[in-house]
Amino acid sequence: EAGVAQSPRYKIIEKRQSVAFWCNPISGHATLYWYQQILGQGPKLLIQFQNNGVVDDSQLPKDRFSAERLKGVDSTLKIQPAKLEDSAVYLCASSRLEGTDTQYFGPGTRLTVL
Amino acid sequence: AQSVAQPEDQVNVAEGNPLTVKCTYSVSGNPYLFWYVQYPNRGLQFLLKYITGDNLVKGSYGFEAEFNKSQTSFHLKKPSALVSDSALYFCAVRPRYSSASKIIFGSGTRLSIRP
Repeated sequence: EAGVAQSPRYKIIEKRQSVAFWCNPISGHATLYWYQQILGQGPKLLIQFQNNGVVDDSQLPKDRFSAERLKGVDSTLKIQPAKLEDSAVYLCASSRLEGTDTQYFGPGTRLTVL
Repeated sequence: AQSVAQPEDQVNVAEGNPLTVKCTYSVSGNPYLFWYVQYPNRGLQFLLKYITGDNLVKGSYGFEAEFNKSQTSFHLKKPSALVSDSALYFCAVRPRYSSASKIIFGSGTRLSIRP
């Protein structure tokens, strides 16, 4: 079974620029998560989708971050405009169901904002 | 506030010795508990989880963890460490009686196994 795919793997931008990340979850997984992992910290949930609906986006900085999951499969996470403190690894994960179901993580996108 | 604590930033163990990576939590009720491992430049990999039942949970790669309700702990253990176990380990909890499925991760413990 193919794992969670993410692209790009690395991205370097200047502050105030915009950037987008793409995630393709494991086939058949209804739940998709975006996490932000700052160096030296554990992942922090940004947004969770159940199919194409948002379940939790309480920690998403909505003034600059947006995410969508059209058709309930692939998802994109966008930052516009980026700030220096957005430098982090952005992880996408998926699970068959929500709740206690195991989350499977992609390799992440390392974002550097200069 | 709900939280997860991994009190050790780094744990150093000689190959062949037993290892323990500590995790304590502050969550109301009996939460769901997880351990994940992260290798360099890779995403997190699931190791094991506690949902209910036996307090000792066995997982991947010979790891196990013990849920201790009175001490609110979920320490990760392995009887005999391998050099290949060297990685970053994250403990995570999810409140059991909550409509939100948000999992809270600890800050991670770097495990280093010396030959």
